[in-house]
Amino acid sequence: QVQLVQSGAEVKKPGASVKVSCKASGYTFTSYGISWVRQAPGQGLEWMGWISDNNGNTKYAEKLQGRVTMTTDTSTSTAYMELRSLRSDDTAVYYCAREGRGSDYWGQGTLVTVSS
Amino acid sequence: AIQLTQSPSSLSASVGDRVTITCRASQGISSALAWYQQKPGKAPNLLIYDASSLESGVPSRFSGSGSGTDFTLTINSLQPEDFATYYCQQFNNYPLTFGGGTKVEIK
Repeated sequence: QVQLVQSGAEVKKPGASVKVSCKASGYTFTSYGISWVRQAPGQGLEWMGWISDNNGNTKYAEKLQGRVTMTTDTSTSTAYMELRSLRSDDTAVYYCAREGRGSDYWGQGTLVTVSS
Repeated sequence: AIQLTQSPSSLSASVGDRVTITCRASQGISSALAWYQQKPGKAPNLLIYDASSLESGVPSRFSGSGSGTDFTLTINSLQPEDFATYYCQQFNNYPLTFGGGTKVEIK
């Protein structure tokens, strides 16, 4: 069965970086792109960006341009999202999701807390 | 970026009610719209893709309609497990965007 398993919760200080992983299984990793979505406490869903299934092409939300990098390691079927220069308003649950027709499978979420 | 406006932002309904949620896009997006259900502490769950196609395993009481700028999610005969927050998302243009969400609460 399709699964996306994310890395564990992180606590970071302002200005630091965080890298969240998303390990896929149960499907051909190179056949589907991966989106990253975050949700601040009590807030709605925010699309962060997308990485292509086969050539590493990326699309990022304008507000995160320059601070976010999405990559994949096809040898381990793992996607990564790195966010730099963290601020308190980056505190959120971060999700990866497989892009089919819609985001059809999601990781369990990774809580990233930014606090001094 | 395409903006998606959901209405209402919240609603109260009873088990057995028919519920309708709307999503309006700031520009035409053809049928490139999905609907998700999210329960507290859980990841979103895809209900509808391509505006009106029911995702596998989703109960048939959920349906979607619309194209262009105006879309609707309908839940026929609301069940206790349907109390949740619902989001629309457009896939027509990058950046992909979500609506603000509709919280469906028990009356």
